[in-house]
Amino acid sequence: DAGITQSPRHKVTETGTPVTLRCHQTENHRYMYWYRQDPGHGLRLIHYSYGVKDTDKGEVSDGYSVSRSKTEDFLLTLESATSSQTSVYFCAIRGVSASGFNEQFFGPGTRLTVL
Amino acid sequence: GENVEQHPSTLSVQEGDSAVIKCTYSDSASNYFPWYKQELGKGPQLIIDIRSNVGEKKDQRIAVTLNKTAKHFSLHITETQPEDSAVYFCAARVAEKLTFGTGTRLTIIP
Repeated sequence: DAGITQSPRHKVTETGTPVTLRCHQTENHRYMYWYRQDPGHGLRLIHYSYGVKDTDKGEVSDGYSVSRSKTEDFLLTLESATSSQTSVYFCAIRGVSASGFNEQFFGPGTRLTVL
Repeated sequence: GENVEQHPSTLSVQEGDSAVIKCTYSDSASNYFPWYKQELGKGPQLIIDIRSNVGEKKDQRIAVTLNKTAKHFSLHITETQPEDSAVYFCAARVAEKLTFGTGTRLTIIP
């Protein structure tokens, strides 16, 4: 799991409430990513970070914000959750694959349900 | 942006037979093509990857082929085993961004 933990692992919340998901890594990786996974869509990039306080948008960033105040933590915030944000959220870091290529390694995921 | 299509969405094969999953991509700037395996309740795990300057790569029972001209790449699993049952995703990378296919659920029939 490349030293990645996600919290919480499961969350049920109500429409309109704020939600923050946390990704924590222990190996000092510079790049971190947030994806959502939905049936029929695979994984889609929400936001990524290339250093402390340095972030950029992915293809499905609307309704999400991120923050990275220290190397080991990357937070994903839903300011006002909607039912369309019910999904499984994965955090990833950029490491080096066995082939020697830069590659992404994924955490265990957070299942979020918005009622 | 990049668009990756993956087929089939489900695949059932007899144990010991081969399985092939195919993907196409749209952006000629894509230069790296990883394949991931995802088991139930877990995050995707990289199983093999290939760069755009290589046409084929093999790792034991798994191989990937890439046709840059046609913009398609394929995953081949030989001598399938029950533990190969999972969802498989292809992906293509441009700069820092990975674009994933929609996944193939592979079931190995004992």
